[in-house]
Amino acid sequence: EPEVTQTPSHQVTQMGQEVILRCVPISNHLYFYWYRQILGQKVEFLVSFYNNEISEKSEIFDDQFSVERPDGSNFTLKIRSTKLEDSAMYFCASSERDRTYGYTFGSGTRLTVV
Amino acid sequence: RKEVEQDPGPFNVPEGATVAFNCTYSNSASQSFFWYRQDCRKEPKLLMSVYSSGNEDGRFTAQLNRASQYISLLIRDSKLSDSATYLCVVTTPSSSASKIIFGSGTRLSIRP
Repeated sequence: EPEVTQTPSHQVTQMGQEVILRCVPISNHLYFYWYRQILGQKVEFLVSFYNNEISEKSEIFDDQFSVERPDGSNFTLKIRSTKLEDSAMYFCASSERDRTYGYTFGSGTRLTVV
Repeated sequence: RKEVEQDPGPFNVPEGATVAFNCTYSNSASQSFFWYRQDCRKEPKLLMSVYSSGNEDGRFTAQLNRASQYISLLIRDSKLSDSATYLCVVTTPSSSASKIIFGSGTRLSIRP
C-alpha cells in the first residue's frame, strides 16, 4: 500500500534554531498538507499545497513557517526560528484530489524544542 | 459554537457491544466528511468517508444528516482492537481549496 514517508521521526532542536521537516507524498497525489498535533490536543491544519503553491493556510501558519516542493518528490516544512510552543507532532498528508477524497497521513515527525 | 464538535468520551464498553459517536459541524456549506481513527502517538488513519446516503464497511456504519448538521459512526460487535480515538473530519470550500477541520476526537476503550 502506498505510503507517505516523513523524516526524521524525532527531531530535538534548540529554541531559535531553524528546522526542516521532510515528507515524501504518495507519487500520484497532487495535494499536500501539513498538520500539527500538540500532545494531548487536536490535530490542527497548517497549510495545503497544490500546483507548486500554497492554496490554503491557517492562522497558525505565520511568517515563521514556509513550505517547498524542491524537487517534485519531497515536500518540506521549514520553521525559521523555533519556539518552545512549536513542540508538537507534525504530520504530512497527501491526497489524489482535494475535498472528496480522504487524506493519507505520514507517521509524523515529533519536534521537541528545548 | 465550535466548527466541529465531538463528545470527548472516553467511552468504555465491553467487547461485543455496539457503540455510536456523533459529531456536529457548524458550517452548512461543508462538503466532505470523514471518520479517522488515531491510535496513541500515531498518525490519523482514514476509517471511512461519509456519504449522504449513509455507508457501511463491515462492522462500521457512517451516516450524515445535513439538515441537523451531524455525522455519526456506529461500531457493531466491538473488538479490543477498536480501542482508539475517533476523529471527525469535515471539509468546507474556501477561497482556493478546502478548509479541513478536525474534531477533538472521541476516545473509545474496549474492555475484555
